[in-house]
Amino acid sequence: NAGVTQTPKFRVLKTGQSMTLLCAQDMNHEYMYWYRQDPGMGLRLIHYSVGEGTTAKGEVPDGYNVSRLKKQNFLLGLESAAPSQTSVYFCASLAGGYEQYFGPGTRLTVT
Amino acid sequence: AQSVAQPEDQVNVAEGNPLTVKCTYSVSGNPYLFWYVQYPNRGLQFLLKYITGDNLVKGSYGFEAEFNKSQTSFHLKKPSALVSDSALYFCAVTNFGYGQNFVFGPGTRLSVLP
Repeated sequence: NAGVTQTPKFRVLKTGQSMTLLCAQDMNHEYMYWYRQDPGMGLRLIHYSVGEGTTAKGEVPDGYNVSRLKKQNFLLGLESAAPSQTSVYFCASLAGGYEQYFGPGTRLTVT
Repeated sequence: AQSVAQPEDQVNVAEGNPLTVKCTYSVSGNPYLFWYVQYPNRGLQFLLKYITGDNLVKGSYGFEAEFNKSQTSFHLKKPSALVSDSALYFCAVTNFGYGQNFVFGPGTRLSVLP
């Protein structure tokens, strides 16, 4: 089992560029989450999904879009990147015992 | 609204001494509480959880936590700290509303000194 994987691991964007972050899990989990981690602020929920074909907004959804076309994949898109989106992004999936499994993260810098 | 506070940004403890990392929470309904650990340049790893039952829960690597409903706290403890315990620790809470929406605290950096 690979668990939760994220691609890419690192990315540098210029303001206004777009990109998609891919999260994949092989544990057949229904629920998946995208968080951003900023120093001193812990993890903040961007979007989440309770199943294939469904998505919902979290605490900080502005500037991001998501899609869950397949159960195992959860994509996070930035249509027009801004310096405020410089962060570390984590994907997670939810096990039956309610603990979350996290990916290794994507470090994004927007210049 | 749900919230989690971790009142200490940093906790320093000598190796072999007991450690405590504090967490208080606010949530409507019954809380489900979690501790995660993050090592440098890694994702978060699950340590332990309280869902129901015994207020003292045991988890990975010798950690335990005590749920205190009256004080709305869920402090993480370990009887004897190791240098390898040095990491960033996060407390999280949910009440299992729609989407199982979790709220994380800001994190506490634990440094265990040899």
